[in-house]
Amino acid sequence: EPEVTQTPSHQVTQMGQEVILRCVPISNHLYFYWYRQILGQKVEFLVSFYNNEISEKSEIFDDQFSVERPDGSNFTLKIRSTKLEDSAMYFCASSERVVDRVQYFGAGTRLSVL
Amino acid sequence: AQRVTQPEKLLSVFKGAPVELKCNYSYSGSPELFWYVQYSRQRLQLLLRHISRESIKGFTADLNKGETSFHLKKPFAQEEDSAMYYCALSGGAGRRALTFGSGTRLQVQP
Repeated sequence: EPEVTQTPSHQVTQMGQEVILRCVPISNHLYFYWYRQILGQKVEFLVSFYNNEISEKSEIFDDQFSVERPDGSNFTLKIRSTKLEDSAMYFCASSERVVDRVQYFGAGTRLSVL
Repeated sequence: AQRVTQPEKLLSVFKGAPVELKCNYSYSGSPELFWYVQYSRQRLQLLLRHISRESIKGFTADLNKGETSFHLKKPFAQEEDSAMYYCALSGGAGRRALTFGSGTRLQVQP
């Protein structure tokens, strides 16, 4: 069964450094998403991406965040200058069609900012 | 603003007992409601959605618009049902972002 793949599974970085989290969505899916979960808190929506542009974003997704689909398979989340409070589990998800809202999640990348 | 509330952080039952995981939502339009499950060391996966009105692994959930609830029920819990359960809402009018509840950990004891 196809799955959303995320790499790396764990990323450790120093405060102020840039990080790129990578995702390979399911191949025929059209919508892509990033969510995060700070330890002990809810899963929170960051951004959705369709047709090579951002379709929705939350208040969390400020100027330090960006997303890109650099080729036909990868979907990346970049954090330009990491802060301690960016430490969280980041989940990528994808969904298939315009009508179908079911999102399929990756296993997540744990980001630790020191 | 849309919100999903799961009032119980932990629900512990014995095998064979009925289970009800509560979910209430606030949303002004017509949302789509989901239950996602996360088993130990596994990814979030869809359990069921209100528009399909089906039973998955013995679980059912009915959308009650009057009470703005989408409680998850199973008549006889199994040990393999132990997991984290998240209720989520997707708003209408082209909004696809999921708003999650804080989750309920279900422990089914032998």
